[in-house]
Amino acid sequence: EPEVTQTPSHQVTQMGQEVILRCVPISNHLYFYWYRQILGQKVEFLVSFYNNEISEKSEIFDDQFSVERPDGSNFTLKIRSTKLEDSAMYFCASSGDNNQPQHFGDGTRLSIL
Amino acid sequence: GEDVEQSLFLSVREGDSSVINCTYTDSSSTYLYWYKQEPGAGLQLLTYIFSNMDMKQDQRLTVLLNKKDKHLSLRIADTQTGDSAIYFCAGVFGGATNKLIFGTGTLLAVQP
Repeated sequence: EPEVTQTPSHQVTQMGQEVILRCVPISNHLYFYWYRQILGQKVEFLVSFYNNEISEKSEIFDDQFSVERPDGSNFTLKIRSTKLEDSAMYFCASSGDNNQPQHFGDGTRLSIL
Repeated sequence: GEDVEQSLFLSVREGDSSVINCTYTDSSSTYLYWYKQEPGAGLQLLTYIFSNMDMKQDQRLTVLLNKKDKHLSLRIADTQTGDSAIYFCAGVFGGATNKLIFGTGTLLAVQP
């Protein structure tokens, strides 16, 4: 069964550094999402992306965050200058259309030191 | 804003039925989902229900939706030790896109 893949599985970065989290959505999907889960808290929506532009973003998704689909297969989340509070599990998801279920990757655990 | 709540923990014996409950505040839900998260793994889609349905059955899983009370439940029949995981309720409540609002997750512990 097709699946969403995320790399790396664990990223350790110094505070203030830039980090790029990578995702390969399911190949025929058109809608892409990033969520995050801080340890012990709920899974929170960050951003949705369709037709090469952001469809919706949450308050968390400030100017330090950006998303990109650099080619036909990858979908990336960049955090420009990481803060300690960015430490979390980041999940990528994709869906075939706006009414279909979202399928999630295994996540990238981001640890900011 | 939208809020989704779940009880934090449920313990059952192997072979019994498990019922995991979820409540939500926004009546404009369109789809409601159940995801399973095993230790160290991602969010696995288990099942979902459209808001114009009351019930959906899929093998050992039964989803019940009470729109009046804004209550969703997931029943797992003949629970196995492999069902031990965190179960997340999530919903789409309108808005510009299909963003999911998640509950806190319920840790299901299955005792042999």
